[in-house]
Amino acid sequence: GQQVMQIPQYQHVQEGEDFTTYCNSSTTLSNIQWYKQRPGGHPVFLIQLVKSGEVKKQKRLTFQFGEAKKNSSLHITATQTTDVGTYFCASLEKSSASKIIFGSGTRLSIRP
Amino acid sequence: KAGVTQTPRYLIKTRGQQVTLSCSPISGHRSVSWYQQTPGQGLQFLFEYFSETQRNKGNFPGRFSGRQFSNSRSEMNVSTLELGDSALYLCASSLSGGPTNEKLFFGSGTQLSVL
Repeated sequence: GQQVMQIPQYQHVQEGEDFTTYCNSSTTLSNIQWYKQRPGGHPVFLIQLVKSGEVKKQKRLTFQFGEAKKNSSLHITATQTTDVGTYFCASLEKSSASKIIFGSGTRLSIRP
Repeated sequence: KAGVTQTPRYLIKTRGQQVTLSCSPISGHRSVSWYQQTPGQGLQFLFEYFSETQRNKGNFPGRFSGRQFSNSRSEMNVSTLELGDSALYLCASSLSGGPTNEKLFFGSGTQLSVL
């Protein structure tokens, strides 16, 4: 079935440094969603990208969808301790139309 | 508007037992999906229900089953529990879960421990 690979698995940064996580698929994605899960919490929706080459920003977070719609990235500028958590990408499986599959997630930890 | 409610929050069972988890979606949401989350495997799709019908199922054994009621509330059942079933079970709801791929709203999950 369709798989979405996410890297890196872990990232430990100094507060103030930038952070990027990447999602890649071997097949074209209909769209990509990003979720954030704080430690001990549940995933919370951040954003959805639909168009090829789409770029969206939320304050210090920048989300990109690749031109070929096979990859996506989430970039955080000048990380803060509130950014700690696991970031997941997710996409609708093409063959099912209602099954959302998640990447393996990138766990971000921050040194104050 | 109340969020997605999952009960119980924590559950401890022994091998061989069965368990039923409950999920109440956001009012007006008709699609409910279930995920198993473990440290090593991330979020694994279990199944998705819409209007009391299972529309999709993940790659889990038949011991994992679910249903949805007319009020959109959903339950999942795991029979003959195994140690490997220990995980956080998350329920998510959306308006219709269709091709528009609406965002998912997750509940706080049920942490199941199998001893």
